[in-house]
Amino acid sequence: EAGVVQSPRYKIIEKKQPVAFWCNPISGHNTLYWYLQNLGQGPELLIRYENEEAVDDSQLPKDRFSAERLKGVDSTLKIQPAELGDSAVYLCASSFSRGVDTQYFGPGTRLTVL
Amino acid sequence: GENVEQHPSTLSVQEGDSAVIKCTYSDSASNYFPWYKQELGKRPQLIIDIRSNVGEKKDQRIAVTLNKTAKHFSLHITETQPEDSAVYFCAASKTGTASKLTFGTGTRLQVTL
Repeated sequence: EAGVVQSPRYKIIEKKQPVAFWCNPISGHNTLYWYLQNLGQGPELLIRYENEEAVDDSQLPKDRFSAERLKGVDSTLKIQPAELGDSAVYLCASSFSRGVDTQYFGPGTRLTVL
Repeated sequence: GENVEQHPSTLSVQEGDSAVIKCTYSDSASNYFPWYKQELGKRPQLIIDIRSNVGEKKDQRIAVTLNKTAKHFSLHITETQPEDSAVYFCAASKTGTASKLTFGTGTRLQVTL
């Protein structure tokens, strides 16, 4: 069974540029999560989807961050415009349902903003 | 919201020794406690988890204990091996509508020969 897939793995951009990350969860997993992981820290939840509905986006900086999961499968996280402080690893995770809770992580996208 | 504290931040043990990592949580309603291992540049991988209806769970060299009264849980690794070297994260969540994982700050474990 394929795990959570993310692309790109690495991205270097200049500040004020837009950037997008893509995630494909494990097949059949209804719940999808986007996390931010700063160096030396644990992941922090940005947004959680139940199918195509964003059910928890309280930690998403909505002035510059947006996300979508239009068909309830893969998802895209966008930053526009990027700032220096956005440099981090962006992790996607999925679980079968919110009731099960076991979350499986993708390899992440390491973003560097210059 | 939930707050998870993790100690120590770094831990160095000799191969074959045991390692213990401790976490405390603040929300008494939390009932699910997973542990993730993250090697450098790689994804966090679930190594063991425990739910609040049990006090201890073991999987070969890894065990987790939970004390609901004190709101703390611990990871125990016995007979450590060099491949156990990684960063370990504890986390806590409530099942159901509020299933948001709150992570600790991580413990860097170094197993020396």
